[in-house]
Amino acid sequence: NAGVMQNPRHLVRRRGQEARLRCSPMKGHSHVYWYRQLPEEGLKFMVYLQKENIIDESGMPKERFSAEFPKEGPSILRIQQVVRGDSAAYFCASSPLDEGFNYGYTFGSGTRLTVV
Amino acid sequence: GENVEQHPSTLSVQEGDSAVIKCTYSDSASNYFPWYKQELGKGPQLIIDIRSNVGEKKDQRIAVTLNKTAKHFSLHITETQPEDSAVYFCAARNSGGGADGLTFGKGTHLIIQP
Repeated sequence: NAGVMQNPRHLVRRRGQEARLRCSPMKGHSHVYWYRQLPEEGLKFMVYLQKENIIDESGMPKERFSAEFPKEGPSILRIQQVVRGDSAAYFCASSPLDEGFNYGYTFGSGTRLTVV
Repeated sequence: GENVEQHPSTLSVQEGDSAVIKCTYSDSASNYFPWYKQELGKGPQLIIDIRSNVGEKKDQRIAVTLNKTAKHFSLHITETQPEDSAVYFCAARNSGGGADGLTFGKGTHLIIQP
């Protein structure tokens, strides 16, 4: 089992460009979560998705950020017109179908976005 | 929403001694409390978790305790080893209501002195 796969590991973008971060959940996991981590900070929840559905996007900035988890393929976190403040590590996590109990999330290794 | 406070932010202990990291949470409806270990350049890794119907859970050198009344939970690492050096995050989640993700503390940088 390859675990949660994120790519790219590192991404450099100029201000105003678009950043696309990809996440493939663990085999058998149907829930995907995106978190952002600033230096010396904890992880901030951004969005929770299931296949073809956004379940909770309460942590997403209202503008420039979007996420999807299509029927086929990885989940994508998209940041349009990036600014320096978007520089952070973005982590994806997945979990199996929740049957009334929480399962521990499995995190990927993250994508470190640097905006220059 | 939930708010999780974690202390201390940095903890230095001698190899072989015990380390304790404490967290408090604000939402009394939270019922799932995982702990994650993050090594430099890597993603967080789940090391232990506890649900609100349990007061204590142990896994070899790691244990977690939960006090629902006081709304705090702690991570205990005994017989610390150099490989325990990392940043540790506590988290809380309310699974009974909405679909929010985990709320994390700001992390504790644990340093094991040889």
